[in-house]
Amino acid sequence: AQKITQTQPGMFVQEKEAVTLDCTYDTSDPSYGLFWYKQPSSGEMIFLIYQGSYDQQNATEGRYSLNFQKARKSANLVISASQLGDSAMYFCAMREGGSSNTGKLIFGQGTTLQVKP
Amino acid sequence: ETGVTQTPRHLVMGMTNKKSLKCEQHLGHNAMYWYKQSAKKPLELMFVYNFKEQTENNSVPSRFSPECPNSSHLFLHLHTLQPEDSALYLCASSQLGGHTEAFFGQGTRLTVV
Repeated sequence: AQKITQTQPGMFVQEKEAVTLDCTYDTSDPSYGLFWYKQPSSGEMIFLIYQGSYDQQNATEGRYSLNFQKARKSANLVISASQLGDSAMYFCAMREGGSSNTGKLIFGQGTTLQVKP
Repeated sequence: ETGVTQTPRHLVMGMTNKKSLKCEQHLGHNAMYWYKQSAKKPLELMFVYNFKEQTENNSVPSRFSPECPNSSHLFLHLHTLQPEDSALYLCASSQLGGHTEAFFGQGTRLTVV
């Protein structure tokens, strides 16, 4: 069965430093997509970055990069040069592909990140 | 206008009330979703609509009734809810067939008293 695991309930990082949020996944589908979302206290889920299972290179979006290790089934999010506004809940999610793709996402438990000034 | 709009943002209702949550997307997407986010739990998928047709009901109790009149609008009708149904309800939309991400609304924070 498909599953997403985030083992870090909470993380602290000093402003301007980099931080890595862990995510491991489990699926038997060879085609899938991995996503990271940010959820501030307002509640909205904000899309950060996407990695496809067949992508050869790690995805990057500004200060966000995804460390994709397919053999280990991990998709860690790296935030460089942390800012106070990065304090939020972060969710890793997976969407399976193929003919059964309904677009639904399976989410991990989330990691609360706090950036210290 | 924002991509996905949910109303109301906050709702308090009694267990005997009937209310509806509304979601509207202006992105031209062909799939819409309802998710439930309870405290200290991951988001749980409730319903999936592809091209206005319900393609998934994730064992949701019948006191939650979805409606998708067209590909831009999605409703969640609520009746005789329980206090444990208090949660943040998030609507999302996406375009099937590609790698595009799901876009979420800001959610409705529901409290059942």
